[in-house]
Amino acid sequence: AQKVTQAQTEISVVEKEDVTLDCVYETRDTTYYLFWYKQPPSGELVFLIRRNSFDEQNEISGRYSWNFQKSTSSFNFTITASQVVDSAVYFCALISVGGSNYKLTFGKGTLLTVNP
Amino acid sequence: EAGVVQSPRYKIIEKKQPVAFWCNPISGHNTLYWYRQNLGQGPELLIRYENEEAVDDSQLPKDRFSAERLKGVDSTLKIQPAELGDSAVYLCASTGGAGAEAFFGQGTRLTVV
Repeated sequence: AQKVTQAQTEISVVEKEDVTLDCVYETRDTTYYLFWYKQPPSGELVFLIRRNSFDEQNEISGRYSWNFQKSTSSFNFTITASQVVDSAVYFCALISVGGSNYKLTFGKGTLLTVNP
Repeated sequence: EAGVVQSPRYKIIEKKQPVAFWCNPISGHNTLYWYRQNLGQGPELLIRYENEEAVDDSQLPKDRFSAERLKGVDSTLKIQPAELGDSAVYLCASTGGAGAEAFFGQGTRLTVV
């Protein structure tokens, strides 16, 4: 069984603040992939990043950065200098590929509101 | 390149009526997912296809839901008869490999009245 937990249901910040979205996952497989998706008010899920279980190197893309720590089963997402356009629901997701039957499992999401 | 295309975008039906959703995945993507997303929740898997084969339909309510993916390309999800609790957004996604990122369509927002 696999599970993704996003403990923060809602976060509200003021523009230019840094914000971190937490993600904790569970899986018995050693080979898996982690993802973050953004869902703006328009509703479409937009892919942000993918990490595989063998690569713990942190990644930075512009104002976005991701911290993957296998020791704590966490894959946290930080937005630096947040902007109003970052307001959306963010989902962390996991797929384990150790067996033949795999599925992409999502957390419940974190609603981020960035106020001007 | 076109993304995942879903239709219709919105659908309002009365309970007990049938409804169908259509999805055209990204060309070349063998894996196709149907998800249901309730308000304030994350997407929940209904069914996964590998080509034309439904390899995971364990969470599909088979008494009223059915799906097909003829020829391993586009797919249809059907509900018959619809219930009030089926009101949700139905999302289709496709991916090119086991660990590859999934690309989502815009979804179909179903309202059952």
